[in-house]
Amino acid sequence: DTEVTQTPKHLVMGMTNKKSLKCEQHMGHRAMYWYKQKAKKPPELMFVYSYEKLSINESVPSRFSPECPNSSLLNLHLHALQPEDSALYLCASSQLSLLGFPGWQFFGPGTRLTVL
Amino acid sequence: AQRVTQPEKLLSVFKGAPVELKCNYSYSGSPELFWYVQYSRQRLQLLLRHISRESIKGFTADLNKGETSFHLKKPFAQEEDSAMYYCALAGTSYGKLTFGQGTILTVHP
Repeated sequence: DTEVTQTPKHLVMGMTNKKSLKCEQHMGHRAMYWYKQKAKKPPELMFVYSYEKLSINESVPSRFSPECPNSSLLNLHLHALQPEDSALYLCASSQLSLLGFPGWQFFGPGTRLTVL
Repeated sequence: AQRVTQPEKLLSVFKGAPVELKCNYSYSGSPELFWYVQYSRQRLQLLLRHISRESIKGFTADLNKGETSFHLKKPFAQEEDSAMYYCALAGTSYGKLTFGQGTILTVHP
């Protein structure tokens, strides 16, 4: 299995809702990432997990809460989002070298999130 | 700080013409450079990485450290090459991948 999968494909939520995005990979990668992508813009890094530990948080608001339950799974919990948070949320994974440096990243298809 | 610049937002060529998508970077160490491609309604996928020096779908890219550039080239463009292309740089900071703003390539028949 050489893919990163994401569920759901689409999500519509109100500003008071709580929802979660899910990402899964079975390539044995030990680094996983969340990105936010607006239309016709490059992906913006949100979080990086290395060996199931949060290693980078790019000053993301606390209404986004990542979780890495195991080496294959990555979740993004959403609460009290704003309409401007509407975007495509991408998950990615990569190998890590013995020194902890990442390889190239494999991306999932994304979850299209709309906040009403 | 790491930065990637793609000067062209849009690039249009005719089928069979050569194409070059420009990428310049700024990084104090030894970066790893990539080209990613995003076809319409498809996921972002790796096209090239400078370390492997491969040719994928006829595309090549050479890292020029003196000019801090990593331009993507193809001698004969095809209509199926139409897509968004992102140049990206990875420093040594645990996988922080910095993307350029992207270039939309359109290949006309």
